Amino acid sequence: LAKTTQPISMDSYEGQEVNITCSHNNIATNDYITWYQQFPSQGPRFIIQGYKTKVTNEVASLFIPADRKSSTLSLPRVSLSDTAVYYCLVGRRTGNQFYFGTGTSLTVIP
Amino acid sequence: DTEVTQTPKHLVMGMTNKKSLKCEQHMGHRAMYWYKQKAKKPPELMFVYSYEKLSINESVPSRFSPECPNSSLLNLHLHALQPEDSALYLCASSQRAGKNIQYFGAGTRLSVL
Repeated sequence: LAKTTQPISMDSYEGQEVNITCSHNNIATNDYITWYQQFPSQGPRFIIQGYKTKVTNEVASLFIPADRKSSTLSLPRVSLSDTAVYYCLVGRRTGNQFYFGTGTSLTVIP
Repeated sequence: DTEVTQTPKHLVMGMTNKKSLKCEQHMGHRAMYWYKQKAKKPPELMFVYSYEKLSINESVPSRFSPECPNSSLLNLHLHALQPEDSALYLCASSQRAGKNIQYFGAGTRLSVL
């Protein structure tokens, strides 16, 4: 299964756009890229999923280049409540195995 | 309703105790998962059930015994645990095999004394 690499931590000021990049060099053809958000003592919460190019929903955008060896989660205009750990997962569309990477701890500063 | 409910929220047990964690979902999902999460670490997959059958066991010690009585319920039976088993145990579900958007419960915080 594809291993993912993310920055361990990031800081950002309120109101700024935050981009978190995930590297997944050995991603397979059938793999989808999924991002989750986790607050302390809570379960992860689905943010966005994509296969290629760009996906946007009401909370985030996901950019995936043509070679799919990396992906970038973009959070527009972050607020203090966006302080959390963000995980990138690469998983087989036809499988049930999901392995979380180390995650990126985002701290939003007032 | 996109809720996965886990009980209890907190559990303290001795190494000789037997206890069970419970997970419930009413979204009609046919795949359910158990994860273990240590402090400041990512969740680690333990078990996967697909259509009420165990499909993946990530080499978890036998002191953890999963059970899926029906499509809405998932249990994790605990026996003779070790202090290093103390962690947050997370349950998740997804629509079916291959649909990898998982919905997670809030977890059970387990302390083994």
